Amino acid sequence: NAGVTQTPKFQVLKTGQSMTLQCAQDMNHNSMYWYRQDPGMGLRLIYYSASEGTTDKGEVPNGYNVSRLNKREFSLRLESAAPSQTSVYFCASREPLGTANNYGYTFGSGTRLTVV
Amino acid sequence: DAKTTQPNSMESNEEEPVHLPCNHSTISGTDYIHWYRQLPSQGPEYVIHGLTSNVNNRMASLAIAEDRKSSTLILHRATLRDAAVYYCILRDKGTSGSRLTFGEGTQLTVNP
Repeated sequence: NAGVTQTPKFQVLKTGQSMTLQCAQDMNHNSMYWYRQDPGMGLRLIYYSASEGTTDKGEVPNGYNVSRLNKREFSLRLESAAPSQTSVYFCASREPLGTANNYGYTFGSGTRLTVV
Repeated sequence: DAKTTQPNSMESNEEEPVHLPCNHSTISGTDYIHWYRQLPSQGPEYVIHGLTSNVNNRMASLAIAEDRKSSTLILHRATLRDAAVYYCILRDKGTSGSRLTFGEGTQLTVNP
């Protein structure tokens, strides 16, 4: 099925460990995004990529790095995990500007990360 | 960034209409109004968006005030599956593309 695929779905890390969250979309979207959602709160933007080869910081980029590997894939890396990074991480993508009237974002189902 | 204000929670009965309000008094002339919803343990899903005119699609209707300082998402007949957090978002056009800034949304409870 077309959409945004995130891996892994669940992960437990020890403080100081590193890991990469993977995201891939098969809708030929230009823009991709990484959000985090803490319990009972709305989503906060970590990083985004408006197009292949470009990345920009969002609201809460500290402690994270991203790579836009190609048009399909956008990964999020935690170099040294901290308990404050315990959260649910969502990847999203969006249609190119100017395509029809749909400016809707498509979200993945999330990665639930716990740092102990 | 322009912000939105929504009630923390609302309740409705199944098969009745639901009107979810959103205030955005600092909206700029080029801000689109987007609505997303998030079902339990899922990522947000797009519901509807508009600029100035009222909009309808298969999921909902969006009524936008004439001065654009407020809007209302209308679910014509609520079902149990509509129980979710609903987010009203103004689309911010950043330097390299558009971004969505989420608030805390409205938790909609639908009673059978």
